[in-house]
Amino acid sequence: AQSVTQLDSQVPVFEEAPVELRCNYSSSVSVYLFWYVQYPNQGLQLLLKYLSGSTLVKGINGFEAEFNKSQTSFHLRKPSVHISDTAEYFCAVSEWGAQKLVFGQGTRLTINP
Amino acid sequence: EAGVTQFPSHSVIEKGQTVTLRCDPISGHDNLYWYRRVMGKEIKFLLHFVKESKQDESGMPNNRFLAERTGGTYSTLKVQPAELEDSGVYFCASSQLGFDNEQFFGPGTRLTVL
Repeated sequence: AQSVTQLDSQVPVFEEAPVELRCNYSSSVSVYLFWYVQYPNQGLQLLLKYLSGSTLVKGINGFEAEFNKSQTSFHLRKPSVHISDTAEYFCAVSEWGAQKLVFGQGTRLTINP
Repeated sequence: EAGVTQFPSHSVIEKGQTVTLRCDPISGHDNLYWYRRVMGKEIKFLLHFVKESKQDESGMPNNRFLAERTGGTYSTLKVQPAELEDSGVYFCASSQLGFDNEQFFGPGTRLTVL
């Protein structure tokens, strides 16, 4: 069975500071990896995904993530955050050939001016 | 193009009552999924439709939950009778057929069972 662990439930940072949101997963088979973001009162929106190929994946709004197979990690980074990045971020995996997503617990990112 | 829509946005019911949640996927999306987030916990998969057929219902918690997708368009999720532990946010998502599995999510229905 797969599982996803987001190591931080809350991450406070100052505006224009860099941020890293951590995600580790466990699976006995190959997986696809995703980061979703949920802004207040909205649905989940896909930030980026890793299917295959280059382990550094660039997404929307200046975010990027790096797939590390040996560490079974898929950490999300942004070099300089803005107030508008305040949201909850979810890491998710799905098995190759499967459809359902397995989510982590979510990380709430708060940006202080 | 309209996104995934869900109705209602909020529902407050008493224990023992029945509630029906509705999801309208993006037009042309044959895959439709239901997920649930109980407060403080992770988002969990409930089930997956391909057109009108249930492809995977391994996440359905018990037989008080009934999902349908007649005609392969919109879907309903009925909870009967509702229990306190059913409270949470119910998300619907849809995707096109294909291997890359990008799912588009609706805003969710917040269900409170008193």
